[in-house]
Amino acid sequence: GAVVSQHPSWVICKSGTSVKIECRSLDFQATTMFWYRQFPKQSLMLMATSNEGSKATYEQGVEKDKFLINHASLTLSTLTVTSAHPEDSSFYICSASEGLAGFAAYEQYFGPGTRLTVT
Amino acid sequence: EDKVVQSPLSLVVHEGDTVTLNCSYEVTNFRSLLWYKQEKKAPTFLFMLTSSGIEKKSGRLSSILDKKELFSILNITATQTGDSAVYLCAVNGRGSTLGRLYFGRGTQLTVWP
Repeated sequence: GAVVSQHPSWVICKSGTSVKIECRSLDFQATTMFWYRQFPKQSLMLMATSNEGSKATYEQGVEKDKFLINHASLTLSTLTVTSAHPEDSSFYICSASEGLAGFAAYEQYFGPGTRLTVT
Repeated sequence: EDKVVQSPLSLVVHEGDTVTLNCSYEVTNFRSLLWYKQEKKAPTFLFMLTSSGIEKKSGRLSSILDKKELFSILNITATQTGDSAVYLCAVNGRGSTLGRLYFGRGTQLTVWP
């Protein structure tokens, strides 16, 4: 149980275009989803936290107008990178949890990640 | 600013060796420390530690937390080539974002046959 999928696994796009990444919880209802970014040889950096049906909470330094997050249902969250540039090339990972408040951190399940390359 | 520091950044050993990976942290309102194994894709959960001095063990892997000195170690005995991966340490602190994890850069472990 507790499987999280991401689509696509890898995407290459041209500079200036927008890219949408999907994160789905396959066998549980994800009240909370997190979006991380990981540059080569760097740690996972939290970009934003989203709760189903409400606006995402962005970490300091993350542009909310550039990284649009939608968590419209309990099994799906999307991250749209708008007007992508080469510096946005990175590995994007989502995680999902059933909990809304007080859940244990280990109950956060990670997706397999999406590698974005902007040319 | 909160931070999690792992050492070493990279480690190369031969099969059968024992390794110790380190993680130190400075996080406001510490709640728990987690270890993950990442093999090219999503991190997979290994351990969660909340109390000092209590060893968590799973097969050849074990981990312990020292909340006074603010660090944790992950031990792997009788290493195998399948242990080659990046090992991530993350700390969960209470704050405005529930479940927020602060990750270290990871230790890249390579096990040679």
